[in-house]
Amino acid sequence: EPEVTQTPSHQVTQMGQEVILRCVPISNHLYFYWYRQILGQKVEFLVSFYNNEISEKSEIFDDQFSVERPDGSNFTLKIRSTKLEDSAMYFCASGGGGADGTEAFFGQGTRLTVV
Amino acid sequence: AQKVTQAQTEISVVEKEDVTLDCVYETRDTTYYLFWYKQPPSGELVFLIRRNSFDEQNEISGRYSWNFQKSTSSFNFTITASQVVDSAVYFCALSERRTASKLTFGTGTRLQVTL
Repeated sequence: EPEVTQTPSHQVTQMGQEVILRCVPISNHLYFYWYRQILGQKVEFLVSFYNNEISEKSEIFDDQFSVERPDGSNFTLKIRSTKLEDSAMYFCASGGGGADGTEAFFGQGTRLTVV
Repeated sequence: AQKVTQAQTEISVVEKEDVTLDCVYETRDTTYYLFWYKQPPSGELVFLIRRNSFDEQNEISGRYSWNFQKSTSSFNFTITASQVVDSAVYFCALSERRTASKLTFGTGTRLQVTL
C-alpha cells in the first residue's frame, strides 16, 4: 500500500542551526501538508502546498519556515534558525485521492530535538 | 473558526469492555469533513475514518463504529470488545470541504486498555 515516507525519523540539532525535514508523498497525490505536534499536545497545522505554491499557512509558519518541492517527488520543510521551542514531531501529509484533496495520509513523523 | 473538543483526556478500561470516545466540533461551514486518527505509542498517525457532513449514517468497521449526529455536532467513536492493542491516543479532526483544506485537531483522548 502506498505510504508517505519521512526522513530522518529523529534529528537532533543545535539552537540556531538550519534543518531540512524531508518527505516523499504518495506519488499521485497533489496536495501536501506539514503539521507539528509538541510532545503531549495536539497536532497543529503549519502549511499546505498545491500546484507548486503555498495554499494556506498558520501563524506558526513564520519567516523561519519554508517549504519546497524541489524535484517533483520530495517535499521539504526548512527551519532556518532553530529555537528550543521548535522541538516537536513534524508530520508530512499528502492528499489527492478524493476529488477535493481533503483526505490526508500522514507519514510516520520526524522527531526534531533542538538543544 | 473551527474547533474540535475532546473532553476526555484519558480513559482506562479493562480488555473486552466497550469504550466510547467523544468528539464535539464547531464550524460555520455547512459542508465539512470529520476524521478520526489513531496515534499508537510509536508515534505515527493512522487514518481511521473520514465522514462528510451530508452523510449521517453510522458506520461500522469490525470492532469500530462511529456515530455522527449533526444536531449535537458530535462524531463519537466506539470500540467494542477493546483489546490491549487499542491502547493509543485517538484524535478527532475537522476540515472544511474545499480544496487542500487543513485539518483542525482536537487535543486527543489517551485510551489505556489493560488485561
